[in-house]
Amino acid sequence: EPEVTQTPSHQVTQMGQEVILRCVPISNHLYFYWYRQILGQKVEFLVSFYNNEISEKSEIFDDQFSVERPDGSNFTLKIRSTKLEDSAMYFCASRMGENYGYTFGSGTRLTVV
Amino acid sequence: KNEVEQSPQNLTAQEGEFITINCSYSVGISALHWLQQHPGGGIVSLFMLSSGKKKHGRLIATINIQEKHSSLHITASHPRDSAVYICAVIIMDSNYQLIWGAGTKLIIKP
Repeated sequence: EPEVTQTPSHQVTQMGQEVILRCVPISNHLYFYWYRQILGQKVEFLVSFYNNEISEKSEIFDDQFSVERPDGSNFTLKIRSTKLEDSAMYFCASRMGENYGYTFGSGTRLTVV
Repeated sequence: KNEVEQSPQNLTAQEGEFITINCSYSVGISALHWLQQHPGGGIVSLFMLSSGKKKHGRLIATINIQEKHSSLHITASHPRDSAVYICAVIIMDSNYQLIWGAGTKLIIKP
């Protein structure tokens, strides 16, 4: 069964450093998402991406965050200058269309120290 | 303000029991999802519903749009069903983002 692949599975970074979280969505999917889950809290929406542009973003997704689909297969989330409160599990998801279910990656656990 | 409420928060049951997890929401939605999150953190989509009922193996999901309520049932529960079950909705004026409930932590004892 096709999978959404996320790398790395765990990343530790110093506060203020830039991190790039990588995702390879399912190849025929058109909609891409990043969600995050701070330990012990609900999953929160960050951003959705369709047709090579951001279609919606949450208040969390401020100027420190950016997304790219650089080569038609990878979908990346960049955090420019990490803060302690960015420590969370970050999930990438994709789906074929609006009437289809989501497929989630296994997540990247980001720890900012 | 919680747009999606789940109950119970925690549920412990014996193997074989019939399990019901409830989800209520306060906004107009275009679809509701039930998802399963395992202890390692991975999330699996179980169902997407916009009306009626869906069944997959021992799992059944129902939705009542008028009452803004959905239930997830597990028949003949098994210890491998132990996980966090999360209800999430796509609100009517957004086709893009899921609004998540806090989850129900289910433990099935052998």
